[in-house]
Amino acid sequence: DTEVTQTPKHLVMGMTNKKSLKCEQHMGHRAMYWYKQKAKKPPELMFVYSYEKLSINESVPSRFSPECPNSSLLNLHLHALQPEDSALYLCASSPGLAIYTGELFFGEGSRLTVL
Amino acid sequence: KQEVTQIPAALSVPEGENLVLNCSFTDSAIYNLQWFRQDPGKGLTSLLLIQSSQREQTSGRLNASLDKSSGRSTLYIAASQPGDSATYLCAPGAGTASKLTFGTGTRLQVTL
Repeated sequence: DTEVTQTPKHLVMGMTNKKSLKCEQHMGHRAMYWYKQKAKKPPELMFVYSYEKLSINESVPSRFSPECPNSSLLNLHLHALQPEDSALYLCASSPGLAIYTGELFFGEGSRLTVL
Repeated sequence: KQEVTQIPAALSVPEGENLVLNCSFTDSAIYNLQWFRQDPGKGLTSLLLIQSSQREQTSGRLNASLDKSSGRSTLYIAASQPGDSATYLCAPGAGTASKLTFGTGTRLQVTL
């Protein structure tokens, strides 16, 4: 099983809503990531969790709140988002931190639209 | 700060051609470099991973080379097929930045 599963695939929300994106992997990986990708741009790193601890936060606004309940799950809680936050949100995992061990595995992404 | 540039930005070729995609990066203190493929609106699929001690890696019709000292990597695609149409991204893993940095991507279209 080499899958990273993201739900929901599509999400439309208003600026006052609270919603969450979920990511799950069962490969025994110890590092998990959230990336944001705008159209025709490369993915931009948001957060990195290593051994369930937040190791990198790329100065992301507080309206994005990550959570790692256990080594298989990664959530991204969304609150008071802006229309410019509309993007494809990608979750990824790696056996260890990807810069050292390589091989990042991505999910299919959650397409977020903020109205 | 790691800067990663991919040339060309877009490429359209007829089926059967051999292709060369280029990736250059400014910080050569990398542990590895990964090539990915992305179909429109989808996630990224890992194609090849080259460790910093390696010069090249091969998988099927794909071959990636790495020249760490000059800050360059090249992805060769042999005998291209319409199914190869996608965006190709390189991502060096730099120790000083403690993260992967993605390149700007090459959009490839292979026509019949």
